[in-house]
Amino acid sequence: DVKVTQSSRYLVKRTGEKVFLECVQDMDHENMFWYRQDPGLGLRLIYFSYDVKMKEKGDIPEGYSVSREKKERFSLILESASTNQTSMYLCASMGGNQPQHFGDGTRLSIL
Amino acid sequence: DQQVKQNSPSLSVQEGRISILNCDYTNSMFDYFLWYKKYPAEGPTFLISISSIKDKNEDGRFTVFLNKSAKHLSLHIVPSQPGDSAVYFCATRPYSGAGSYQLTFGKGTKLSVIP
Repeated sequence: DVKVTQSSRYLVKRTGEKVFLECVQDMDHENMFWYRQDPGLGLRLIYFSYDVKMKEKGDIPEGYSVSREKKERFSLILESASTNQTSMYLCASMGGNQPQHFGDGTRLSIL
Repeated sequence: DQQVKQNSPSLSVQEGRISILNCDYTNSMFDYFLWYKKYPAEGPTFLISISSIKDKNEDGRFTVFLNKSAKHLSLHIVPSQPGDSAVYFCATRPYSGAGSYQLTFGKGTKLSVIP
């Protein structure tokens, strides 16, 4: 079974802080994704990566950046956290043409 | 502009009856469709998929139907069980080629199965 692990289940940060969300997958998947989920808005793609050091913007990349230095790890960075970035953040990985597999999410609160 | 629409935000069904969740899409480039199930405080779990070469795919109590001409798909759960209570997301992408990495999700339908 694919395992996608997000480093924190719950996180509370302050406005203006730099925030790092980490995600690790154990299936040697090429593709990894970061989404945010908000009530009534579904899942929206922030960034994805199809290989080490490669990244592509998703639908809502503003205020975020990503890092993929190793194949198994994909980090989401909030450069200067703002209250409108309070959300559930979901990481996913995908190998070949298979369905994406998700982690359990990080519920991030920005105060 | 919403490319994937789940027009019912919520649905309540009696245990043992059929649950039907609907999804409409606009982009004819989409040819691979998935349903995910999400419990609170957990990540979405892949449930079932269908490619555009089929019009039906069945897995146990779950069946997905695809009507390409109407750009409509539906998920049937028979019989519904209380453990099926969750938010269901429809998602789609091109099966291969440009854009095939990126899933486009609907906003979800919250299913409540009443014992």
